[in-house]
Amino acid sequence: GQQVMQIPQYQHVQEGEDFTTYCNSSTTLSNIQWYKQRPGGHPVFLIQLVKSGEVKKQKRLTFQFGEAKKNSSLHITATQTTDVGTYFCAGRDNAGKSTFGDGTTLTVKP
Amino acid sequence: GAVVSQHPSWVICKSGTSVKIECRSLDFQATTMFWYRQFPKQSLMLMATSNEGSKATYEQGVEKDKFLINHASLTLSTLTVTSAHPEDSSFYICSAYLGQTNNPLHFGNGTRLTVT
Repeated sequence: GQQVMQIPQYQHVQEGEDFTTYCNSSTTLSNIQWYKQRPGGHPVFLIQLVKSGEVKKQKRLTFQFGEAKKNSSLHITATQTTDVGTYFCAGRDNAGKSTFGDGTTLTVKP
Repeated sequence: GAVVSQHPSWVICKSGTSVKIECRSLDFQATTMFWYRQFPKQSLMLMATSNEGSKATYEQGVEKDKFLINHASLTLSTLTVTSAHPEDSSFYICSAYLGQTNNPLHFGNGTRLTVT
């Protein structure tokens, strides 16, 4: 079945430093979504990428979808303490089923 | 925006009892809902796909007789954990997408189940 690998598992940064998490799928994806989950909370949708090579920005967050539609990345510029949480990618196959990566937990030291 | 409501938020039950979790789409119709389970500090694992008016599709390794799913209407899916055991303690989350399968998932707030 489809597998989605995400690295790193944990990332500790100083406030103001950049942060990147990467996802790789074993199969070509229909689309990929990114979610953020705060401790004790549920995943909250951030963005969806559909097109090959697509790049989307949300303020300090930049999302990329690879040309082969098998990998993706999330980059945060100049992290803030409000960025803490676990970031998940979720790869959607043509049948509509989403497989989540293991998540990257970001902690930010003020 | 689309809202998915899940109830209860948390439940504590004794080993051997059954627990029902409800997932409702409040402002849209969801022909398909997904049930995930998340253990502490782990990812979301898809348990089953709930299809309105038909049987749920379970992922490999998930016991369909233990995790009963009913999707009787376009706005409600239920997950019943039967004969719960301590190892079933987890965070259960439902989700649905609005409209097309290409659309993002909207998650309920989750249910934290503790089996004593």
